[in-house]
Amino acid sequence: EVQLVESGGGLVQPGRSLRLSCTASGFTLGDYPMSWVRQAPGKGLEWISFIRSKAYGGTTEYAASVKGRFTISRDESKSIAYLQMDSLKTEDTAVYYCARDCGGGGCYYYFDYWGQGTLVTVSS
Amino acid sequence: EIVLTQSPASLSLSPGERATLSCRASQSVSSYLAWFQQKPGQAPRLLIYDASNRATGIPARFSGSGSGTDFTLTISSLEPEDFAVYYCQQRSSWPRTFGQGTKLEIK
Repeated sequence: EVQLVESGGGLVQPGRSLRLSCTASGFTLGDYPMSWVRQAPGKGLEWISFIRSKAYGGTTEYAASVKGRFTISRDESKSIAYLQMDSLKTEDTAVYYCARDCGGGGCYYYFDYWGQGTLVTVSS
Repeated sequence: EIVLTQSPASLSLSPGERATLSCRASQSVSSYLAWFQQKPGQAPRLLIYDASNRATGIPARFSGSGSGTDFTLTISSLEPEDFAVYYCQQRSSWPRTFGQGTKLEIK
């Protein structure tokens, strides 16, 4: 069974850093693209970062709102994807979800599995 | 950036009724569009991908149609568990973008 579990959220001051983790089970992390999607309180969904599968070099994509401040990575030996968030702003306050792209059965590059989310609050 | 505009913003219907939700893209996304359902306190769930394909385990009352810039999610006969927020999302180009959502409420 595929499972994604996020951790690492919490209260952080503006300008500080935080690293989120997404522990994957039930599949080989490096074989699938992964994304982070966030949702500000009471708002809609915003995709923010993506890492390609190992077969496609593990290259990355970012939303303009986080480019240069956030970094997505993964440790295949631990089956964990990360989101390093630097220079945090109050507007980064949101629930952060990790999501896996589907990669088979006719479904490619859509978010088929999601974690339960972890809340990040940026406030002084 | 491709902007997805969903309509209506909210929809009040009764169980058993038919729901029709729309998503319009600011430029063509071909058929690279998905629909998600989100209930309060839960992560989104993939319903439809490539505009018209149901994801694994999704009931047949959910169907998607459209291509290019205009898309529709139809729920043929609403069940109590279908009242939620629905988002469309495109993967045609970076950045991946979501619509602002349609809230489906019980009348």
